[in-house]
Amino acid sequence: AQSVTQPDIHITVSEGASLELRCNYSYGATPYLFWYVQSPGQGLQLLLKYFSGDTLVQGIKGFEAEFKRSQSSFNLRKPSVHWSDAAEYFCAVEGNQGGKLIFGQGTELSVKP
Amino acid sequence: NAGVTQTPKFQVLKTGQSMTLQCAQDMNHEYMSWYRQDPGMGLRLIHYSVGAGITDQGEVPNGYNVSRSTTEDFPLRLLSAAPSQTSVYFCASSYARDSTDTQYFGPGTRLTVL
Repeated sequence: AQSVTQPDIHITVSEGASLELRCNYSYGATPYLFWYVQSPGQGLQLLLKYFSGDTLVQGIKGFEAEFKRSQSSFNLRKPSVHWSDAAEYFCAVEGNQGGKLIFGQGTELSVKP
Repeated sequence: NAGVTQTPKFQVLKTGQSMTLQCAQDMNHEYMSWYRQDPGMGLRLIHYSVGAGITDQGEVPNGYNVSRSTTEDFPLRLLSAAPSQTSVYFCASSYARDSTDTQYFGPGTRLTVL
């Protein structure tokens, strides 16, 4: 069965520092992978998605993610974090029927001034 | 476009009460779905619909009913609320059921069952 693991429940980084959020997936075939962000009290917004091709995917707000099949990972990165990036981040993989998403537990990001 | 809208934003129920969470989208999306979000568990799919008149169960369907009489609306019904249904509920929609299509999420309904 498909599953997604985000090993870090909470991460704190200083403003201006680089960021990497980890995501590991379990999927039998080539996965469709997503990163969503949820600001406090808000719904989820898609940051980026990977279907095929270039393993480095660029998203909105300066985020990128790299698909590594050998490690079953899809880690999210940003070179310089802004205070407005404080939010919860969810990694997701397509379920076994198109359109259904399986989410990880989420990683809450705090940004120190 | 208003996107995906959900009402109410907050609701408190007593055990055994029933209620309907409303979800509407004005983007002419065929695919709509309901998720619940619980601490430490991410989002879990409750029910989904690939078009008007067609619904199916997701990962955690027990205690919830849905119907899809129009393309725009996808209400979620709790027939007899239980404390275990205390959660934040999100509705989402996309143009197609293909995962390549972006899903748009509503702002959520925070439900507390006493």
